[in-house]
Amino acid sequence: DAGVTQSPTHLIKTRGQQVTLRCSPKSGHDTVSWYQQALGQGPQFIFQYYEEEERQRGNFPDRFSGHQFPNYSSELNVNALLLGDSALYLCASSLKRGVLETQYFGPGTRLLVL
Amino acid sequence: GIQVEQSPPDLILQEGANSTLRCNFSDSVNNLQWFHQNPWGQLINLFYIPSGTKQNGRLSATTVATERYSLLYISSSQTTDSGVYFCAVVRRGGSEKLVFGKGTKLTVNP
Repeated sequence: DAGVTQSPTHLIKTRGQQVTLRCSPKSGHDTVSWYQQALGQGPQFIFQYYEEEERQRGNFPDRFSGHQFPNYSSELNVNALLLGDSALYLCASSLKRGVLETQYFGPGTRLLVL
Repeated sequence: GIQVEQSPPDLILQEGANSTLRCNFSDSVNNLQWFHQNPWGQLINLFYIPSGTKQNGRLSATTVATERYSLLYISSSQTTDSGVYFCAVVRRGGSEKLVFGKGTKLTVNP
């Protein structure tokens, strides 16, 4: 049973560029959430996708956008990268049954913006 | 929004020692999870425990929802237990996002 997978594992970009991160949920899961973890902090919720639509959004600017595909996989896009976007980006998957489900996290993508 | 406070922020132990990590939260919750983040950044699920007590090997957890706190117990600690332990909650009646505390950094020395 494959867990949550993310790609790439590491990425280096320069300010102003755009980046796309990818996530495949755990088998049987249909909901994907994205989190940003800055160094020394806990993860912060970016947004959640279910049935190919953004269902919840945290306090992140419109430069952060996403997509969910029919196979439940998801992408996170960040435009006009800033130095402060350097972080570990984590994807979590769960089965949409309200809030009573365990969320499982992928290994993350480390993004460095120079 | 809901506040999640973890204590202590840092903990250093000798191998074989026991420890208790605490998580306080400011509102009613539907979901509470404990995670261990290893040095490579992977968040590993330890417990899904919105209330009650659970045990898994050397680890156990207790959540007293009415008093808005949860405890994670680690017994006979090993060097592989080192890392950061996070508590995360979903506020009852709120959006379905996990709100994390700042974590407890545990170092277990041989």
